[in-house]
Amino acid sequence: EAQVTQNPRYLITVTGKKLTVTCSQNMNHEYMSWYRQDPGLGLRQIYYSMNVEVTDKGDVPEGYKVSRKEKRNFPLILESPSPNQTSLYFCASSLGPGSTDTQYFGPGTRLTVL
Amino acid sequence: KQEVTQIPAALSVPEGENLVLNCSFTDSAIYNLQWFRQDPGKGLTSLLLIQSSQREQTSGRLNASLDKSSGRSTLYIAASQPGDSATYLCAVRSNSGGYQKVTFGIGTKLQVIP
Repeated sequence: EAQVTQNPRYLITVTGKKLTVTCSQNMNHEYMSWYRQDPGLGLRQIYYSMNVEVTDKGDVPEGYKVSRKEKRNFPLILESPSPNQTSLYFCASSLGPGSTDTQYFGPGTRLTVL
Repeated sequence: KQEVTQIPAALSVPEGENLVLNCSFTDSAIYNLQWFRQDPGKGLTSLLLIQSSQREQTSGRLNASLDKSSGRSTLYIAASQPGDSATYLCAVRSNSGGYQKVTFGIGTKLQVIP
């Protein structure tokens, strides 16, 4: 089954404790992206990747890191999480960044930083 | 910078009614526009994708139109059903300063009353 998976689905952590949220897709997609969703602000793009070893900042990259060492995986790293990073996070992928390329979303990761 | 606005923010209609959701964007240089639905606590499900060169797309009771020059898209839902109750999001993929970004609207929360 074609899908985007994220782990963990729920995470409660404390300020400053490094964490990684994994994202994996099995559709051989080149384009992957991370979003956060906050009430009243909608979904905002954090980082995206056009292909292996190619990443770029989205609209809200501060406090986050990403890497793309393999085509299927695109982990999101919070080196020193803070309470303002409490949010619902989504990973998405598409075949490419082109006009015909539908984005497929993972189920989301709800992160709480205390 | 691309900005996406969705009107109305919330909508409540009786079952069977036809309805229109609106999405507007500020930069007409887009690759595509995609409509999603999001159920409470869940991920995003793709409904329709309209390429920048297209005027409309249809899937079942859904019809999405795109007027790129005026920066507007509409999602038409025919004969609404209680199962259509969800939040509807539009997302615009565009090239902003050389970056392949995706910008979401905040969404329209739809309630269909039996």
